[in-house]
Amino acid sequence: KAGVTQTPRYLIKTRGQQVTLSCSPISGHRSVSWYQQTPGQGLQFLFEYFSETQRNKGNFPGRFSGRQFSNSRSEMNVSTLELGDSALYLCASSLELGEQYFGPGTRLTVT
Amino acid sequence: GENVEQHPSTLSVQEGDSAVIKCTYSDSASNYFPWYKQELGKRPQLIIDIRSNVGEKKDQRIAVTLNKTAKHFSLHITETQPEDSAVYFCAAVRAGGGADGLTFGKGTHLIIQP
Repeated sequence: KAGVTQTPRYLIKTRGQQVTLSCSPISGHRSVSWYQQTPGQGLQFLFEYFSETQRNKGNFPGRFSGRQFSNSRSEMNVSTLELGDSALYLCASSLELGEQYFGPGTRLTVT
Repeated sequence: GENVEQHPSTLSVQEGDSAVIKCTYSDSASNYFPWYKQELGKRPQLIIDIRSNVGEKKDQRIAVTLNKTAKHFSLHITETQPEDSAVYFCAAVRAGGGADGLTFGKGTHLIIQP
């Protein structure tokens, strides 16, 4: 079974721009979660989608948003980018309660 | 919300020795505790997990223990090998309770000395 995939793998943006990241979960997985990883803050939960509905949200500003499509693929959007948004963005998909499998991540650099 | 503390931040052990990483959590409703291994430049990989109805789980050289009363869980790696060198993260979540986002510890950089 193919693993979780994320596109693009690397992205460079300028402050004030917006960005959209994409995640394709493992086939059959209906839950997709997004995380931000930085050296200072570690791995932090952004939000989780299940059957096209956002079920849970972490403590991030409204500039961070997402959505999920009927085929379970998910996108994450960050508007008005700030330097501090530079991070590795990871998505994870889940079939059973709790067990999450991560994608390779998208490395976002904001200049 | 949940808060997970992980210690130590760095652990250096001789090849063949054992390594122990400890985590504490704050939310008594958390019921699922996974451990992830992340090698440099790679994705976190689930290596073992434990649910709150079990006190210990073992998979070859890796074991995890859970003390629900103390809200404490630990990862034990025996007979360490060079390929065990990585950053290890513990996490906790109230799976199925409408709060399925994992709360992670800050990570432990495990260094296996030859």
